[in-house]
Amino acid sequence: DVKVTQSSRYLVKRTGEKVFLECVQDMDHENMFWYRQDPGLGLRLIYFSYDVKMKEKGDIPEGYSVSREKKERFSLILESASTNQTSMYLCASSSGGRGNNEKLFFGSGTQLSVL
Amino acid sequence: GEDVEQSLFLSVREGDSSVINCTYTDSSSTYLYWYKQEPGAGLQLLTYIFSNMDMKQDQRLTVLLNKKDKHLSLRIADTQTGDSAIYFCAARSGYSTLTFGKGTMLLVSP
Repeated sequence: DVKVTQSSRYLVKRTGEKVFLECVQDMDHENMFWYRQDPGLGLRLIYFSYDVKMKEKGDIPEGYSVSREKKERFSLILESASTNQTSMYLCASSSGGRGNNEKLFFGSGTQLSVL
Repeated sequence: GEDVEQSLFLSVREGDSSVINCTYTDSSSTYLYWYKQEPGAGLQLLTYIFSNMDMKQDQRLTVLLNKKDKHLSLRIADTQTGDSAIYFCAARSGYSTLTFGKGTMLLVSP
């Protein structure tokens, strides 16, 4: 089975801190994604990557950056955390090229609280 | 871009059938998916359907696709309390990433 592991289940940070959310997948998937999930808003795509060292902006990239130095690892970085970034963050991975039947495998999520 | 809409809440009794509905806007959507999210967990893929299909059945799950109306439904037969979860519809067209609906919370009462 595909396993997508997010490093922390719960995280509490202070406003202005730099925050790193880590995600690792073990199935050699080419594609990785970061979403945030908020009540009433569903899932919103922050950033994604279709190959190592490549990244593309999703629907809400402001205030975030990403790093993909290795195929299996995709990191989400909050440069200066703000209270409106309090959310559940979900990482996902998939195989196959763009336009194909792309089945996503999700991690369990990181609930981030920014105080 | 694509927009995916779902009703937010559905309540059924154990043993009944559940039908969760979804509409999408992009008629060129090629793949349509249903994901399930249990409390405190990430999403897991339940099933998917290609746009050249009208129906797909997988054990207790039946997916119906009406391309003319851009309407997708997920029917769960003999719904159990363990089916209580949030169900997300998602659509994909061309080379774009998946567009998710906001999710339908299914509550199954004994």
